[in-house]
Amino acid sequence: GDSVTQMEGPVTLSEEAFLTINCTYTATGYPSLFWYVQYPGEGLQLLLKATKADDKGSNKGFEATYRKETTSFHLEKGSVQVSDSAVYFCALNEGGSYIPTFGRGTSLIVHP
Amino acid sequence: NAGVTQTPKFQVLKTGQSMTLQCAQDMNHEYMSWYRQDPGMGLRLIHYSVGAGITDQGEVPNGYNVSRSTTEDFPLRLLSAAPSQTSVYFCASKRANTEAFFGQGTRLTVV
Repeated sequence: GDSVTQMEGPVTLSEEAFLTINCTYTATGYPSLFWYVQYPGEGLQLLLKATKADDKGSNKGFEATYRKETTSFHLEKGSVQVSDSAVYFCALNEGGSYIPTFGRGTSLIVHP
Repeated sequence: NAGVTQTPKFQVLKTGQSMTLQCAQDMNHEYMSWYRQDPGMGLRLIHYSVGAGITDQGEVPNGYNVSRSTTEDFPLRLLSAAPSQTSVYFCASKRANTEAFFGQGTRLTVV
C-alpha cells in the first residue's frame, strides 16, 4: 500500500537558518503530494502541494519539488522564523482516491 | 465560508459515559473523515464517508460509531468512553484528488 516517511523530529533551528524536512513516499500510481502545517492548538492546514512530477509547490517562503525519480518531496525554506515553529506533515493522495496517506509529522522548533 | 466546524473544543468524560463529537462542513465535500492524534503516533484514521449514507472503517474504529445522513454533517459517537480514548480528534473533508480541510480539533480527556 501507499506510505509516506518523514524525518524524525524535533528539528531545532535558530532564526534565519535554512530548513530541510525530508519526505519520501511509496505509491502504486502517480499521486498528488502535499505539505500540511499544524500550529500549536490548531488543526492541520495546507501549506503547499504539487500534482505531477517536477512541479514545485511554494507558499510563505516554503518550497517543495515533486521528484518522481527519487520518490521525494522535501520541504525547504531559506530563512526560518520563530513563527514557523509547528508540526509539518507530508501527505499523498492517489488519483481517484479520497483517502490521503499522511506521514507521522515533524516538529520544528525555531529559537530567536 | 466557515469550512469545517467541530464542537466541542474541549470535553472531559468519565469512563463509561457516551458522547457525540460534532463535525459540519459547508463546502459540499463528498468525503469526510475522523482522525485521532496522539503523541508520537501521527494521525490515525477512525472512520470515513464518501457520501451521505455511506461510511466505512479506518485504521482504529473500535469504540467509535459514525453516520452520515447529510452531506454536511458527520458526527462521531463514543459508545462507552475509556481512558485509552483520551486524544485530540480531528474531522476533515475534501473532494477527490484535492487537499483536505481540517477542523480545529476536539481535545477529549477520559478520566
